[in-house]
Amino acid sequence: NAGVTQTPKFRILKIGQSMTLQCTQDMNHNYMYWYRQDPGMGLKLIYYSVGAGITDKGEVPNGYNVSRSTTEDFPLRLELAAPSQTSVYFCASSWVVSNQPQHFGDGTRLSIL
Amino acid sequence: GIQVEQSPPDLILQEGANSTLRCNFSDSVNNLQWFHQNPWGQLINLFYIPSGTKQNGRLSATTVATERYSLLYISSSQTTDSGVYFCAAPRNRDDKIIFGKGTRLHILP
Repeated sequence: NAGVTQTPKFRILKIGQSMTLQCTQDMNHNYMYWYRQDPGMGLKLIYYSVGAGITDKGEVPNGYNVSRSTTEDFPLRLELAAPSQTSVYFCASSWVVSNQPQHFGDGTRLSIL
Repeated sequence: GIQVEQSPPDLILQEGANSTLRCNFSDSVNNLQWFHQNPWGQLINLFYIPSGTKQNGRLSATTVATERYSLLYISSSQTTDSGVYFCAAPRNRDDKIIFGKGTRLHILP
């Protein structure tokens, strides 16, 4: 089982560029999440999804967009990259939030210059 | 919304020592998780523990839901235990899982 797979692992963007961070899980989990982790800090929730076609904002959604067309995939889109979006991005999934643990991908380290 | 607070923020111990990490949450929860982030940045789920006590080798966790706290115990610490330990809990009115700021543990050889 691959679990939660994130691509790319590293990326450098110029200010104003756009990109999509990919996240795929093969555990048939309904719930998927995107977090960002700034240096020395905890994780902040950007967006989450409770199933295909359903997404909702987390704590820090500004500057990001998501879609959930399939159960497996939950891509995160940055439309106009800004230096404040330099961070490590983690995708996670779980079966049902109330009684199952979250499984995390290895993260995408993104730098905006 | 729910507040998740962890203490201490930093902890430095000699190899072989025991440690207790605390997580306080401001609202009732039906799910409490402990994670370890290793020095390479990977997040590993240690425990899912909404209440009671669980043990896994040298690690154990106890959640007292009525008093809104959870404790993570690490016995006979090893250098590989170093990293940041996070607790996380969902808000009851929606499915947003909120993380604490973590406890940074450094085990000296």
